[in-house]
Amino acid sequence: RKEVEQDPGPFNVPEGATVAFNCTYSNSASQSFFWYRQDCRKEPKLLMSVYSSGNEDGRFTAQLNRASQYISLLIRDSKLSDSATYLCVVVHYGGATNKLIFGTGTLLAVQP
Amino acid sequence: GAGVSQSPSNKVTEKGKDVELRCDPISGHTALYWYRQSLGQGLEFLIYFQGNSAPDKSGLPSDRFSAERTGGSVSTLTIQRTQQEDSAVYLCASSLEDRQRLYNEKLFFGSGTQLSVL
Repeated sequence: RKEVEQDPGPFNVPEGATVAFNCTYSNSASQSFFWYRQDCRKEPKLLMSVYSSGNEDGRFTAQLNRASQYISLLIRDSKLSDSATYLCVVVHYGGATNKLIFGTGTLLAVQP
Repeated sequence: GAGVSQSPSNKVTEKGKDVELRCDPISGHTALYWYRQSLGQGLEFLIYFQGNSAPDKSGLPSDRFSAERTGGSVSTLTIQRTQQEDSAVYLCASSLEDRQRLYNEKLFFGSGTQLSVL
C-alpha cells in the first residue's frame, strides 16, 4: 500500500463547478500536510498548507482529519486556469531527517 | 539566481553510460531534495540533504544511483550504467527549513532534467 494515496482522476468539471479531492495517508506520525499544484510538464508549486483547524485561501479550502488520516481540497467556482494535477504531500519530521512524501496526484480538467 | 536551477534541462544518453545531473539550490537554503517523476506518475523520493548531517539515501532505487552536495550548496546526482527504466524527469528542490517555521515550510522546485535512456 502506498504511503500517500490519491484518486488519479481525471476529474472533468464545467467552469463554475465545485470539486473536491481527497488524499489518505498511512503513517499516523505524519505531522505536516500540503497541497501542491503541477501544471503539465512543469515543476510542482506549493498551493497551500493544510492546518488542523482547516484553512481557506480564496476559492480553495483545505481540511485535515487526523483521526481518519485524510486531507481534502475543495475548489469552488472552478476556472479554466485551475486545470492541473493536484498533489497531496505528507511530511514526517524526525531528528536530522525530514521526508516529504508526495501522492501520485489528481488530474483536474475544467471544461468551458 | 532567484530560483532552483537544474542542468541540463534535457539529457539523452545510451544505455550503459553514466550521467551527472546538477542542482543549484536557492542561496541560503539548507535542505535539498532529489525526486524522480516518471511519465504520468507521482514524485518518487530519492535523497535528502540537510546542512552537514548525513544524507537520507533511503529512496535511491539501486547502488547505481549516488548523490553528493558540496559545501552545503550545489548537488550532483550521478547515475551509473544507465538503464531504460531510469528515463524520467529528475527534480531537485530546496527549502530554508527554518526549524521555527517547519509547519509552514515551502519547497521550491527546479524545472527538472528530462533524462532519456535509449
